[in-house]
Amino acid sequence: LAKTTQPISMDSYEGQEVNITCSHNNIATNDYITWYQQFPSQGPRFIIQGYKTKVTNEVASLFIPADRKSSTLSLPRVSLSDTAVYYCLVGDPLNSGNTPLVFGKGTRLSVIA
Amino acid sequence: GAGVSQSPSNKVTEKGKDVELRCDPISGHTALYWYRQSLGQGLEFLIYFQGNSAPDKSGLPSDRFSAERTGGSVSTLTIQRTQQEDSAVYLCASSPPWQQETQYFGPGTRLLVL
Repeated sequence: LAKTTQPISMDSYEGQEVNITCSHNNIATNDYITWYQQFPSQGPRFIIQGYKTKVTNEVASLFIPADRKSSTLSLPRVSLSDTAVYYCLVGDPLNSGNTPLVFGKGTRLSVIA
Repeated sequence: GAGVSQSPSNKVTEKGKDVELRCDPISGHTALYWYRQSLGQGLEFLIYFQGNSAPDKSGLPSDRFSAERTGGSVSTLTIQRTQQEDSAVYLCASSPPWQQETQYFGPGTRLLVL
């Protein structure tokens, strides 16, 4: 199970782009990278998933370099409502065995007006 | 469609009492997870069910904690002889076959042990 490392916290002003990097040096060939967002008093929700290069959806972009040992979640023009904890998760979606995918402590993003 | 549901949404109990927390996963999801989150902390993995395989109980903090999943669907997390340090939000998640990375979370059960 690939271990991930993220910054514990980040601060940003409204309107700025925020980039959160996750390190996963021992990522396996079949592993995907998934990011979750958790607001206070709510369960985490899926944001974005990728395997390599770049993935973009209506919420965020995910940049993955060629060696896949890290990934960067990019949130464009953040607003106060983006204040949340962001979790990076690495694992093989096709693994139907008995290995659970677990969350680390995540990155606590605080957006300031 | 219906998401993951959990009940009760809030539970206040006295130290030493047993509690049962219920999770209804999304229909067709084969994997089910229980997590615990204390105030201001990250998610703590508790237990994982995948299909008919034996559950991974490696995250259960003590033998007072147990969980079962009946018929591959509904799951119950039981905490016996609750302690004050058990107070937390208990989150359940499920994921569809072959998409283990994408976990859909329920709203959680907030447990307060007095």
